Formats: sequence, C-alpha cells, structure tokens
Amino acid sequence: AQSVTQLGSHVSVSEGALVLLRCNYSSSVPPYLFWYVQYPNQGLQLLLKYTSAATLVKGINGFEAEFKKSETSFHLTKPSAHMSDAAEYFCAVSDPDSGGSNYKLTFGKGTLLTVNP
Amino acid sequence: GAVVSQHPSRVICKSGTSVKIECRSLDFQATTMFWYRQFPKQSLMLMATSNEGSKATYEQGVEKDKFLINHASLTLSTLTVTSAHPEDSSFYICSAKEGGRWETQYFGPGTRLLVL
Repeated sequence: AQSVTQLGSHVSVSEGALVLLRCNYSSSVPPYLFWYVQYPNQGLQLLLKYTSAATLVKGINGFEAEFKKSETSFHLTKPSAHMSDAAEYFCAVSDPDSGGSNYKLTFGKGTLLTVNP
Repeated sequence: GAVVSQHPSRVICKSGTSVKIECRSLDFQATTMFWYRQFPKQSLMLMATSNEGSKATYEQGVEKDKFLINHASLTLSTLTVTSAHPEDSSFYICSAKEGGRWETQYFGPGTRLLVL
C-alpha cells in the first residue's frame, strides 16, 4: 500500500522568504507524485506532477519539486513567498498499477502555509 | 485547461432528506470520476470511483446505499446522499480524469453540505 507523509501541518514564512514543504512517500513501485493547492472553501488545483520523467519538476506560480528516490521524498519549494501563496498544500501519490486504469490518489494530511507580511 | 464544476456549492438540508450533488467536466470527456470527502482541517478521503456507464467502486467503509453515485455520461457524475444525518455534514469534492490522460485528476470546487 502506498502512503504519504507531510512533515509539519503548519508552516509559517515571511513574505519573500524561501518556502519548503516536505513530503515523503512510500510505494512498492515507482510512483507518480503530485502537489495540489487548496484555497479556503475551494477544490484542489494541480501545482505540479512527477511522472517518471525529469526529477526536478517545475509547476505553476513559481513552485518546483524534486523527486529523490533515495530519500523517498518530493519536497515542494518556492524561492520567494508571496502573500497569495497562503493556502493548504497537499502531496499525493498515485501508484500506476493501482486500481487498474483508475490510478487512485492517496493524499497526505496537508500543510497549511501562512505568509507573514 | 480542464475545468470541473460542482453544483451546488453549498447546501443546507434537514436530517432525513436526500441531497444530490452534480459534478461536470466542462471541456473534456471524463471516463473516470472520483468522489472525495474532506472533514475540516483534514485531508481528502476517497469515497468512490465511477466509470462512465458502469457501477461505482466504493472504498472500504463507505456505504453504497447511503452514497449513491451515478455516472451516466462522459461529462456528468452525481452523488446522492440519502437520508442525510448531521454526521454526513462535510465538504464533498469530485475530480475527473480525462480519457487518455490517465495520470492527472482535475478537481471541482467542492460542495459544502450541512445537515441540520
């Protein structure tokens, strides 16, 4: 079974500071990994995804994440935080072999990012 | 880009009534749709997976007769919460997977259900 662990349920940074949100996964096969962002009372928006191509993945809004197989990690970073980045961030893993062609997602518990002026 | 809508965005109902939530893929055909439930300050929990034209597959612990799912077309799936009770109050989110683009799910904006 696959699982996702997001270290830190709440991360607070100053505007302009580096954002680092941690995600570790477990999977019996090479996984597909995703980061989603959720603004209050809204659905999830895909930030970026890793699907076995380049290990450094660039996403929207200046975010990027690096897949490190040896560390089973897929941490999300952004060099300079904006106030508009304040939201809940979810890491998710999909086992390409799970559920036939349905590719179910397993989500981490989420990390709330607050950005201080 | 791929857009998924949900209706209604918010619903309040009395205990014992049934509530239907619609999930639509607006600009693509969704061969598979997923229904999630999210409790406050918690992650998304997959409830069921529906494939167009076939019965939904429910996750362990999710009552089929309680949460009826219909995926009658490639752009519409519905979730009906039958005989709703206060403990069913939650944020329900659907997602849709585009045929041929298997790895990415596009999420709807969610439906807030409050059962009084």
